[in-house]
Amino acid sequence: GDSVTQMEGPVTLSEEAFLTINCTYTATGYPSLFWYVQYPGEGLQLLLKATKADDKGSNKGFEATYRKETTSFHLEKGSVQVSDSAVYFCALGGNAGKSTFGDGTTLTVKP
Amino acid sequence: NAGVTQTPKFQVLKTGQSMTLQCAQDMNHNSMYWYRQDPGMGLRLIYYSASEGTTDKGEVPNGYNVSRLNKREFSLRLESAAPSQTSVYFCASSEGGNNEKLFFGSGTQLSVL
Repeated sequence: GDSVTQMEGPVTLSEEAFLTINCTYTATGYPSLFWYVQYPGEGLQLLLKATKADDKGSNKGFEATYRKETTSFHLEKGSVQVSDSAVYFCALGGNAGKSTFGDGTTLTVKP
Repeated sequence: NAGVTQTPKFQVLKTGQSMTLQCAQDMNHNSMYWYRQDPGMGLRLIYYSASEGTTDKGEVPNGYNVSRLNKREFSLRLESAAPSQTSVYFCASSEGGNNEKLFFGSGTQLSVL
């Protein structure tokens, strides 16, 4: 079945550092790929999305490119801020909206 | 601008007690979902409702029941709570169809003693 493997955390960075969170997937067909973010005490919210191979999703300085050849969707940001501290989830879209989520990666950004 | 609303936010139960988690969405979405979130295990789908009047099991349905009361509301019931059901529960909705993004509620933190 479908599965998502995320880079294990936690990840701790200094402000303005470069961020990469790795995500690889196994899927039948060609699902959409998502990154969701969860701030403390809140539900998940969509960060960015890509619907087909070579698409790049971007939002709030974050980017991820749908790589079919490596089955990857790594999340990147050039300069993180303290406010980016959160848990990040990679997810596969599925039938009837049933998404498959990775385990989540906790990011802490220190001033 | 409410989106997906879940109640309660926190709940403590004793083993064997029952309770219902409520969820409502105001986006006219067709599909609704219940997930549980456990440390190191990501989100796992408990039940979903692809459309009003239908419900189906997800990955971890044992010990739970659901009701799609109408298009807006989707409740999750624990008939006899067990400590293994201690978790954070999230309700979500989507427009329906394949590969749709999900909109989440803020969660219910449930402890079963």
